[in-house]
Amino acid sequence: DQQVKQNSPSLSVQEGRISILNCDYTNSMFDYFLWYKKYPAEGPTFLISISSIKDKNEDGRFTVFLNKSAKHLSLHIVPSQPGDSAVYFCAASVTGTASKLTFGTGTRLQVTL
Amino acid sequence: EAQVTQNPRYLITVTGKKLTVTCSQNMNHEYMSWYRQDPGLGLRQIYYSMNVEVTDKGDVPEGYKVSRKEKRNFPLILESPSPNQTSLYFCASRPSGYQETQYFGPGTRLLVL
Repeated sequence: DQQVKQNSPSLSVQEGRISILNCDYTNSMFDYFLWYKKYPAEGPTFLISISSIKDKNEDGRFTVFLNKSAKHLSLHIVPSQPGDSAVYFCAASVTGTASKLTFGTGTRLQVTL
Repeated sequence: EAQVTQNPRYLITVTGKKLTVTCSQNMNHEYMSWYRQDPGLGLRQIYYSMNVEVTDKGDVPEGYKVSRKEKRNFPLILESPSPNQTSLYFCASRPSGYQETQYFGPGTRLLVL
């Protein structure tokens, strides 16, 4: 049972345009959400997070939006750069569960010139 | 440099031959965990440890053992590896405190023949 879903395995975007990566979850107990970025042959690295008490969090070119009623979050990258080409994982956790992260399946983003 | 290291990075073995994948962190983090990444399934947690001598099962613990005798080390043990344990393994650590991000190691690619 996949509690965190990323329905788009891949996404291709032109440099300078906006990249939008989507993530849906089914467990209404999740109250903290994170995005990780992964390059080949490296471990995932933390990108941005959002608590369920917020609906938006911004960090430079990266913005995460959370829609709790729809159980949906998205990551916006503006403007997209070639160095953003990577696999992006969304993850979710429930407060008090030892920060156990439940990951989505990942979306491979390719930013083209 | 603050980091999580894993050894070996690549390993080919045969069914039933015991192996250990080491994980070490130099950030004095209390929390450590192991994940496996498989195509179409994302990252799934195998085991985690809240501190020395405190370990617990994650989502897919079958066929794995762990130990946490020192704060910095968290080895993953496969007593009798099977082909379905062929995967990419990641170790992660974080400081105590619920919403701290996790730092991942570079990964260990395991092939069990």
